[in-house]
Amino acid sequence: GAGVSQTPSNKVTEKGKYVELRCDPISGHTALYWYRQSLGQGPEFLIYFQGTGAADDSGLPNDRFFAVRPEGSVSTLKIQRTERGDSAVYLCASRWDYNTGELFFGEGSRLTVL
Amino acid sequence: SQQGEEDPQALSIQEGENATMNCSYKTSINNLQWYRQNSGRGLVHLILIRSNEREKHSGRLRVTLDTSKKSSSLLITASRAADTASYFCATSSGQNFVFGPGTRLSVLP
Repeated sequence: GAGVSQTPSNKVTEKGKYVELRCDPISGHTALYWYRQSLGQGPEFLIYFQGTGAADDSGLPNDRFFAVRPEGSVSTLKIQRTERGDSAVYLCASRWDYNTGELFFGEGSRLTVL
Repeated sequence: SQQGEEDPQALSIQEGENATMNCSYKTSINNLQWYRQNSGRGLVHLILIRSNEREKHSGRLRVTLDTSKKSSSLLITASRAADTASYFCATSSGQNFVFGPGTRLSVLP
């Protein structure tokens, strides 16, 4: 596709449930980033991939959060045992490689945990 | 905590006026970028300035960088109602980007 695609755009779930959020980056972009954004705040870094490997996962808040990128393209952010505090917009971004240029963002996945 | 801090947090101006937003950061950087976000949408890259540059222009945008003061400013000239959005600075010292809390700009027609 022409841009970064994120699905679902909206997800409402109950506390304790498992959630998967998907990101399809721009074709050819080797670097992929996940951010979380709460209302009125800036994006908060979670994890970034260079190819298939997680180059920096220091932003993942705890072990309930996990992300994969098995073939170096699509990435899935997985949240186990969701809590109300996980409610936020999860943004995915990609760029050509780890050392070049700007980030291209998707529209985000809005997660609401009831 | 986030490295970049924009100010003001919110700015309201009339169409045609200039808007200036500032960003301060704490550690050494390779480059600084400015992004724009319309309500409910993803972020869109506006401009990148490298640590060895002092000023950069792109259309109605002018960005300055003062590494001695660890600060940057974004100037939007001749603002339009369509410029209403949140603006974020992002600093990079490696492969990671750290965003500030943003400035919410309202341009009144």
